Amino acid sequence: DAKTTQPNSMESNEEEPVHLPCNHSTISGTDYIHWYRQLPSQGPEYVIHGLTSNVNNRMASLAIAEDRKSSTLILHRATLRDAAVYYCILRDVSNFGNEKLTFGTGTRLTIIP
Amino acid sequence: DGGITQSPKYLFRKEGQNVTLSCEQNLNHDAMYWYRQDPGQGLRLIYYSQIVNDFQKGDIAEGYSVSREKKESFPLTVTSAQKNPTAFYLCASSASVGRINEKLFFGSGTQLSVL
Repeated sequence: DAKTTQPNSMESNEEEPVHLPCNHSTISGTDYIHWYRQLPSQGPEYVIHGLTSNVNNRMASLAIAEDRKSSTLILHRATLRDAAVYYCILRDVSNFGNEKLTFGTGTRLTIIP
Repeated sequence: DGGITQSPKYLFRKEGQNVTLSCEQNLNHDAMYWYRQDPGQGLRLIYYSQIVNDFQKGDIAEGYSVSREKKESFPLTVTSAQKNPTAFYLCASSASVGRINEKLFFGSGTQLSVL
C-alpha cells in the first residue's frame, strides 16, 4: 500500500492561510488523495479529496502536484476552530471496499490567536 | 440523520474481562473499520469488513475479535489477551464497491480504560 508522509506539527496565525503538505511518492494511478481532520476527543471528519485536479469546497482547497507525488491542503483563512490533527491518506479506487485503510500520525495544527 | 453510533462513550475493564464495544451505522455502507488511537498518536487499524459475514485483520488484531452478522453492525470485543487495552477506539464506515470517491464516516469514539 502506498504511504503518506506529513510534518508532525505546524503553527499558523489566526485569519491567515495555512498550507499543510503531504508527500506520497509511491502513489499509484488509481489512488485518490483524501484529507481528514480530528478535533480533540472526537472522531476524524472528512475535509476534501481529489485525484488529479485541484479541488475546492467550503472547508478547504486541495492542490495536487502535476506528478501527484505530493499534495497540499489549503485553509484559506484559519480560525481557532481549525486547530486539529490533519491526516492525509490514499484510497485505491481499484481496491475499493477491500482496503486496509491506514492513517499515519498526521499533522497537528496549532492556531495562534 | 444518518451516521455512525458508538457506545458506550466510556468503558472500564477489569483484569481478565472481555468487553464489547458497539458500532452501528444507518448509512447503508458495506465497509466498516475499527481503529485504535493512543494518546498523541495516529490511528492504527484493528479489523475491517467489506461485507456481511466477512472481515480481515488489520495491523494490530491480536487480542481483539469482531463479528459482522448484520450490515449495520460491527461490534469489537477486547479480550483478556489484549494486555494494554487502554485507548480511544474509533469505528468508521464507507460505501464499497461500485461507489468510488466515497468518504469515510467516523463515530465519536469509545474511551476504554483498565481498572
